[in-house]
Amino acid sequence: EVQLVESGGGLAQPGGSLRLSCAASGFTFSSYDMNWVRQAPGKGLEWVSFITFSSTTIYYADSVKGRFVISRDNAKNSLYLQMNSLRDDDTAVYYCARVNRGGYPGDYWGQGTLVTVSS
Amino acid sequence: DIQMTQSPSSLSASIGDRVTITCQASQDISNYLNWYQQKPGKAPKLLIYDASNLETGVPSRFSGSGSGTDFIFTISSLQPEDVATYYCQQYDNVPYTFGQGTKLQVK
Repeated sequence: EVQLVESGGGLAQPGGSLRLSCAASGFTFSSYDMNWVRQAPGKGLEWVSFITFSSTTIYYADSVKGRFVISRDNAKNSLYLQMNSLRDDDTAVYYCARVNRGGYPGDYWGQGTLVTVSS
Repeated sequence: DIQMTQSPSSLSASIGDRVTITCQASQDISNYLNWYQQKPGKAPKLLIYDASNLETGVPSRFSGSGSGTDFIFTISSLQPEDVATYYCQQYDNVPYTFGQGTKLQVK
């Protein structure tokens, strides 16, 4: 069974940092591209970042470029999102989501982890 | 960036009704479009990929059509468990933008 489990969310101060993790199981993680997607409270979905299976290609939304860093450790079946210089508007539930081998994103999602940025 | 305009933003229908949601892309995205269902407090669930392909395990009352800039999502006969918010997402170009969502309620 495919499982994605996010962790690392919590309360951070503006300007602070957090590192999110996404633990993958039930599939060959090293063969799949991955995304981070977030959802602010009561709002819609916002794509955040993408990484290929080999980490050779990485993309970011303009809203996080220069502040967030996506990475992965295929030996540990884990995806990460290092979040720096956090702002109030980064408050959201953060989801990791798998890209299907057929090229379409979002075939499996984690349950999400809540990040709250507040002083 | 490609803008995805989804309509309506909310919708109320009766059990058994046919429900239609539209999504318009600001430029040609071929068929690189997903439809998701999201229930409160839950992660989105993929229903339709590549504009018209039903994800494995999804009931056949859900369907999608379109290509280029105009897309349609249909529930052929609304069921109580279909109460949710529905989103389209394009994956032709980064950033992989979502529509603003359609909140579906039962009358």
